[in-house]
Amino acid sequence: EAAVTQSPRNKVAVTGGKVTLSCNQTNNHNNMYWYRQDTGHGLRLIHYSYGAGSTEKGDIPDGYKASRPSQENFSLILELATPSQTSVYFCASGQGNTEVFFGKGTRLTVV
Amino acid sequence: AQSVTQPDARVTVSEGASLQLRCKYSYSGTPYLFWYVQYPRQGLQLLLKYYSGDPVVQGVNGFEAEFIKSNSSFHLRKASVHWSDSAVYFCAVSDNNNAPRFGAGTKLSVKP
Repeated sequence: EAAVTQSPRNKVAVTGGKVTLSCNQTNNHNNMYWYRQDTGHGLRLIHYSYGAGSTEKGDIPDGYKASRPSQENFSLILELATPSQTSVYFCASGQGNTEVFFGKGTRLTVV
Repeated sequence: AQSVTQPDARVTVSEGASLQLRCKYSYSGTPYLFWYVQYPRQGLQLLLKYYSGDPVVQGVNGFEAEFIKSNSSFHLRKASVHWSDSAVYFCAVSDNNNAPRFGAGTKLSVKP
C-alpha cells in the first residue's frame, strides 16, 4: 500500500544540536513537502520539492534545510536546533494539484 | 501566494445537529480546494476536494462543501454529526502546482 513514512516518530534534541527528520514515500509522487503544526497556526510550509535534487523554500524556511536525494526520500535538517523549533512535523507527498498524502508526524522537543 | 482563513478555532455542536465549518481563501484565479481531517496523534486525511464543475462536492462520511467564488469561500457542511466526527478540520488551497497552503484548523467537539 502506498504510504508516507516518517522517522523518528518522537525525538528529543538539545539546543544547538543537529537534527535530521526523514521521510520516505512509496506513492511515486514528484512533489514532497515538510510542514510544522503548532496550535493556533495550523500547518505551515517549511520546504518542498518537485523532484530528486530539487528543494524550494516554503513560508517559514529560516533555521531549516531540506534534502531530496531521490524520488522516495526527503529530509528536513535542523543544523542548530532551538527550543522555538519544538513542534510536530509532517511530511507529505503529492502529484500536481491533487491531494497530498501525509505521514503520521514527528514530535520534536528541543530542550 | 494563496492563503486560507478558518475563522473559528473551536466549534462545539450536539450529536445529531447540523454543522458548518467556515473557510475563506485568498487567490485571484480558480483554486484547487480541499478539506482534510486530523484525528488525535495522526496525520491528515482527505475529506473532499474541489477542482472544477459542480460547486457542491461530496466527501466521505456525509460531508459536503460548497465553492462560492463570489465570496471566496469553501465551507464544510454535514447534516447530522456523530460523536466520532470530533477532530480537527483543515481547509487547504493550491494552484498551478504550487505547494498547498493550509488554514489554522477548526477543532470540532461533538457533545453526546
